[in-house]
Amino acid sequence: ILNVEQSPQSLHVQEGDSTNFTCSFPSSNFYALHWYRWETAKSPEALFVMTLNGDEKKKGRISATLNTKEGYSYLYIKGSQPEDSATYLCARGGAGNMLTFGGGTRLMVKP
Amino acid sequence: EAQVTQNPRYLITVTGKKLTVTCSQNMNHEYMSWYRQDPGLGLRQIYYSMNVEVTDKGDVPEGYKVSRKEKRNFPLILESPSPNQTSLYFCASSPLNIGVGSYNEQFFGPGTRLTVL
Repeated sequence: ILNVEQSPQSLHVQEGDSTNFTCSFPSSNFYALHWYRWETAKSPEALFVMTLNGDEKKKGRISATLNTKEGYSYLYIKGSQPEDSATYLCARGGAGNMLTFGGGTRLMVKP
Repeated sequence: EAQVTQNPRYLITVTGKKLTVTCSQNMNHEYMSWYRQDPGLGLRQIYYSMNVEVTDKGDVPEGYKVSRKEKRNFPLILESPSPNQTSLYFCASSPLNIGVGSYNEQFFGPGTRLTVL
């Protein structure tokens, strides 16, 4: 059973739309929250690693926020482009190097 | 170039025929891990290794073996593959976290798509 939940499972948007999706996780014994971007036929690549409540990280048009008290993180994409089409994975970091992944949100951006 | 490599990338085999998927990293990472990815289930950890000769089970270890004789290599062994092991497999590595907390990003290999008939 996944205890990291992502929503929605998939999302279709038009080029230029801004979008966001959610990662929910148990707030107890929290260590870190990871976001990865996984393009078809490629390897997942890290976007952000966040550890502190209230953390906000940004990379270009993509940003993420973290609320460790209520157990959620949002990923935002501003002005989506077709090259943003990918599956976005979040993972809750446990003790040591352990990661528990959510099921992912598959984003498709139509030109 | 810093990378994680896996071989083979694609494999079709038959039930019961032993196979090994190799994983190698050139970043001198202590931690290595194997995941399988199935639709709707996210990445699930099979086995992991904190360093040479140190391995442990993840969430779905049944039917798999691993070894870590050298720091750079972490092969995944299926002694008697079955159709329910048809999946996409990823190897990943990262520096070992000092103290508690998984704050180091993991670097993933390109994936191995395995089909067991």
